[in-house]
This record gives sequence, C-alpha cells and structure tokens, in this order.
Amino acid sequence: GEDVEQSLFLSVREGDSSVINCTYTDSSSTYLYWYKQEPGAGLQLLTYIFSNMDMKQDQRLTVLLNKKDKHLSLRIADTQTGDSAIYFCAASGGYNKLIFGAGTRLAVHP
Amino acid sequence: DTGVSQNPRHKITKRGQNVTFRCDPISEHNRLYWYRQTLGQGPEFLTYFQNEAQLEKSRLLSDRFSAERPKGSFSTLEIQRTEQGDSAMYLCASRGTGNTGELFFGEGSRLTVL
Repeated sequence: GEDVEQSLFLSVREGDSSVINCTYTDSSSTYLYWYKQEPGAGLQLLTYIFSNMDMKQDQRLTVLLNKKDKHLSLRIADTQTGDSAIYFCAASGGYNKLIFGAGTRLAVHP
Repeated sequence: DTGVSQNPRHKITKRGQNVTFRCDPISEHNRLYWYRQTLGQGPEFLTYFQNEAQLEKSRLLSDRFSAERPKGSFSTLEIQRTEQGDSAMYLCASRGTGNTGELFFGEGSRLTVL
C-alpha cells in the first residue's frame, strides 16, 4: 500500500523560507496534499496538487512535485511565527482515502 | 457555514468502559472517514463511509471498534472494553463529490483511557 515519509523537524528564522519535503510510494496517487495542524486542533487543508502538475503556487505557498522521484515539497515564503505548526503530506491511497506522513514540526524563531 | 463537528471533544474513561464518539459532517458531503492519531504520528485511516454504506475498514479497527452511519448523515464510532492503547485523538473527516479528493477534518475527539 501507499507509504508517505517526511522529515520530522525543521527550524527556521522568521522571514526566511521554509521547505518541507515528502516522499511517497504509490505512483498512481492522483492528488497530493499538504495539511497544517496547530496544537490541539484538527487538520486544515493548505493546498493540493494534481499529479500531472510540476508546480502550484498559492500566495506564500509553493508546491513542487517530482513525479519521477515521487517527491513532494512545500515552500513557505517569508515564514512567520504563526506558521509554527505540524505539516502533513498526504497522498490518495485508494477508496478515496488519504494516507498521511508522520508530520514535520516547523519551529519559527525570531 | 458549519464545518465538521465532533463530540465530545475530550473523553476520559477507565479501562474496560465503552465510549462513543459522534461526527456530524459538512451537510452536503456524502463521504465520511474516521482516522486515529497518536502523539507524534500522522492520522491513520480507520474506516470510510459513502452515504450509509461502510465501504472499507482498516485492520486497525479491531472487533472492539464499531462505526455506523445509519442515515447517511452523522456517524458514530464506538469503542467497547477500552484499553490504554486506545488513548488517541479520533478524527472525523468528510468529503464531497468533487474530483480533487480533499478531506475536511473536524477538531477531533481526544480519548484518554486510565
């Protein structure tokens, strides 16, 4: 079945760019997603990308997809303290369900 | 506009007791999912409904777990004879009929088994 892996922790300075990486195994995943989770809260959809796209930009967020290497990244420009959270990569895993990675904890420091 | 609603938000129970969680999805969404999330992990798929039909169950869903969606609207997740290993956040998500497949999550129900 589908497996999704992410690095667990990223620390950046306020104002810098953050890049969160993810790899997945199932090349048939039609869509790939990025979710954000703040402490004690549910998951909030940030953005998604269709598998036939290489890049998608949405305000401060840029998603890059390398389908050949099954690699997905999320770039957050001008990272702010409010961006501190856990970011989850997810891939479609059949029967319309999503398979999530373990999450990358982003810490933003002044 | 109401999103996905889950109740209760927190439940503390003693080992061996039964607990039930409720999820009210976004009203026009016909697909409903339950996930479990433990500390430091991503959400793990438990089960999926399309309307009232339960179409897939994960191996994580032992015999002590049962989920229903009787009228294709709200859903309940019951855990019988709770164990300490059941302590987790139980997340409900719903999805409409669009092709992009994104799930909309509730705030979750946190279960602590003492």
